[in-house]
Formats: sequence, C-alpha cells, structure tokens
Amino acid sequence: QKEVEQDPGPLSVPEGAIVSLNCTYSNSAFQYFMWYRQYSRKGPELLMYTYSSGNKEDGRFTAQVDKSSKYISLFIRDSQPSDSATYLCAMSRGTYKYIFGTGTRLKVLA
Amino acid sequence: EADIYQTPRYLVIGTGKKITLECSQTMGHDKMYWYQQDPGMELHLIHYSYGVNSTEKGDLSSESTVSRIRTEHFPLTLESARPSHTSQYLCASSVQGNSPLHFGNGTRLTVT
Repeated sequence: QKEVEQDPGPLSVPEGAIVSLNCTYSNSAFQYFMWYRQYSRKGPELLMYTYSSGNKEDGRFTAQVDKSSKYISLFIRDSQPSDSATYLCAMSRGTYKYIFGTGTRLKVLA
Repeated sequence: EADIYQTPRYLVIGTGKKITLECSQTMGHDKMYWYQQDPGMELHLIHYSYGVNSTEKGDLSSESTVSRIRTEHFPLTLESARPSHTSQYLCASSVQGNSPLHFGNGTRLTVT
C-alpha cells in the first residue's frame, strides 16, 4: 500500500466551478502538508503549505488538513482555464523525506 | 519565476555515455534534492544534500552520483546511461527539512 493515495483523474470541470482535490495518507507521523501545481514540461510550483490540522486560504485556493481522518484537500474557487494542470500533494514528517502523491490532472473547460 | 535552474532542459544520448545534469539555486538554501519523475508515478528521491560536502542516497540512487562543493550547485552524474534511465529529473531545494521544496523545471532525459 502506498503511503499517499491520490486519484489520478483526469478531472474535467467547467470554468467557474469549485474544484476539490484530495489525498489520503496512512502515516500519522506526517506533520507538514503541501500542494503543488505542475504545468506540462515545467517543474512543480508550490501552491499551499500547512502544518498540522486546519484550514489555510490564499486567494482562490483553500487547503484543508484533517489529521484524524488522514485526509487533505485543496479547493479551487472560480476555476479558470489557466488552472488546468496536474496537482500534486506532498507531506513530510519534518525530515528530508517528502512523500508525494501521483498527481491529479485537472482540465478546466472554457 | 524559478530561482533554481536546471540544464539542459532536454537531452537525448546513447547507451553507455556519461552525463552530468546541472542544478543551481540562488536562494542560499542548504538542503538540495534530486527527484525522478515518471508519468503517473510519484516523485522518487535519488539523492539529497544537507549542505556543502554532505550528500546522502535516496530511494533510487543506484548508478548515479552527486557532489556538493558549493552551496548553490548540486550536479547529478550518470556514469553509464541506460534506456531505463529515461525519465524527467527534478532538482529541488529547501531552507530546512520541514520547509516546502522549490523545484527547477527539470531535465527530460532520453537514453537510446
């Protein structure tokens, strides 16, 4: 079993929709949680970084961490075609080792 | 705009060749990493470095080596490339072990 599970998609939504992206994990020692956006032929770009449980909002993006359920989410409000990319979740116990999900491909249709 | 730079962006080479993938960062980060990324797969750690003259192997370190002579520079060398090395190689850096990673745009390597 993988430490981090992420639905690969693809997920297609109309422009303006609210998008929900999720990851589940098995290691309760994870404390630091990240979401990255990766465009084709580019490196991953950090979107959100949270520590422990709770919510964090940045513009149209909201990250949620539920440590009791071992579940993290990224919400994108008012989605735009420019949000079309692969979204990677990642988590860490606070050491050098970061565990990544396989990524969810998102397509926002104009 | 990325403050971590990887060259070349694309490379096609023949089996048995020795290659070095370059990575430089301008952020002064102590921690640097090399990851391998294949389509539909999670990123796998190849090597990481805590600082100058400090390197450790990751999960997929076999057949490659790294060096860290300067804080800003972390090259990855494949002594003898094989078709199984065909992949995207991502370099990253962080301030410390629990800080988010900052990635370069990758080197896409094809070994024929």
